[in-house]
Amino acid sequence: AQRVTQPEKLLSVFKGAPVELKCNYSYSGSPELFWYVQYSRQRLQLLLRHISRESIKGFTADLNKGETSFHLKKPFAQEEDSAMYYCALSPGGFKTIFGAGTRLFVKA
Amino acid sequence: GAGVSQSPSNKVTEKGKDVELRCDPISGHTALYWYRQSLGQGLEFLIYFQGNSAPDKSGLPSDRFSAERTGGSVSTLTIQRTQQEDSAVYLCASSLGGTQSSYEQYFGPGTRLTVT
Repeated sequence: AQRVTQPEKLLSVFKGAPVELKCNYSYSGSPELFWYVQYSRQRLQLLLRHISRESIKGFTADLNKGETSFHLKKPFAQEEDSAMYYCALSPGGFKTIFGAGTRLFVKA
Repeated sequence: GAGVSQSPSNKVTEKGKDVELRCDPISGHTALYWYRQSLGQGLEFLIYFQGNSAPDKSGLPSDRFSAERTGGSVSTLTIQRTQQEDSAVYLCASSLGGTQSSYEQYFGPGTRLTVT
């Protein structure tokens, strides 16, 4: 079955500390993976996608097919990074499967 | 330009009543998606449209849920005989669609449905 697992519901870090939001997926083919973010009182929006290999707002994510993971990382967390983060998998076609989300709280 | 819009923003209804939720996608976006966001449950895929057709209805939780899209634009999600477990935020998203599956989805603000 196709599934996205985000094991942490809440992650709290201090400003300036590194942060890693975990995402594991279950899919037998070559997936397309995304991270979406929802800031307080804002719409859900795309943060980054693995095919672009881009860094957005200092965040990066590497696809590890061996571990079936797509963890989101940032070396130095900022208070404005506090938000809800969703990992998502597109197995092909248009269906997208989202994880349950991780709420990141960056403390001053 | 205008983003995805949804109406109403909030809806409170009595158990057993029918509700209609509306989504206006970004102009030119051929793909349209409906999701349900429940507390602690993440985003649950409900249905997507490519143009006016819905190739994948597998996410609709029961036959009380239906959706349509007319003119390749506006979509309506209808929930009949609402139950308390239907209470959630219903999100709509649209994307360019076409042959590439990894187009970014643009989300609306959501409709918060409360069934009393």
